[in-house]
Amino acid sequence: DAGVIQSPRHEVTEMGQEVTLRCKPISGHDYLFWYRQTMMRGLELLIYFNNNVPIDDSGMPEDRFSAKMPNASFSTLKIQPSEPRDSAVYFCATSGADRDIQYFGAGTRLSVL
Amino acid sequence: AQSVTQLDSHVSVSEGTPVLLRCNYSSSYSPSLFWYVQHPNKGLQLLLKYTSAATLVKGINGFEAEFKKSETSFHLTKPSAHMSDAAEYFCVVGASNTGKLIFGQGTTLQVKP
Repeated sequence: DAGVIQSPRHEVTEMGQEVTLRCKPISGHDYLFWYRQTMMRGLELLIYFNNNVPIDDSGMPEDRFSAKMPNASFSTLKIQPSEPRDSAVYFCATSGADRDIQYFGAGTRLSVL
Repeated sequence: AQSVTQLDSHVSVSEGTPVLLRCNYSSSYSPSLFWYVQHPNKGLQLLLKYTSAATLVKGINGFEAEFKKSETSFHLTKPSAHMSDAAEYFCVVGASNTGKLIFGQGTTLQVKP
């Protein structure tokens, strides 16, 4: 398996634009997590899914952020409209039978100008 | 509620000398504890996991950690540092049976030649 695949690896956009981050989980993994990493706040859990259903979105900072998982092999994190303070590295992680062990993608580095 | 505190934000060692990264945890029950490593511009990777089977846990790349309930600690050690060990290390506690992980703020390990 190729692991958790995130795209794009880098995204540069202007304030006010819509940004969509994508994640392909490891096949068979039924948990999917979205994290945000910044120098100031460290690693924050934004939302996670189990069997494509959102379980806990309490970490989503505000209504500008939304996440979907339309099927077991794809998830998106959308920011609309984007703001400079959204600049961060966004990670997707998934877990399977051993739900404690999460496998991380390489991340998407987002810069909002 | 569960939490972890990494006692050092930055540790610097010389190549070939021992590594000690300190972590204290707080949990109302027997915790699942982990160490993850993040190399520059990469996603996080599991180093090792403690789940009460043995207090001394061996991980990848020669790292190990010892669970000490009396001290609520889970320090990460390695007898001899290698240049490739330079990275960010995260102490992590599992949040009950939710599948969620709670990350410490991270310790940056610098290895000098």
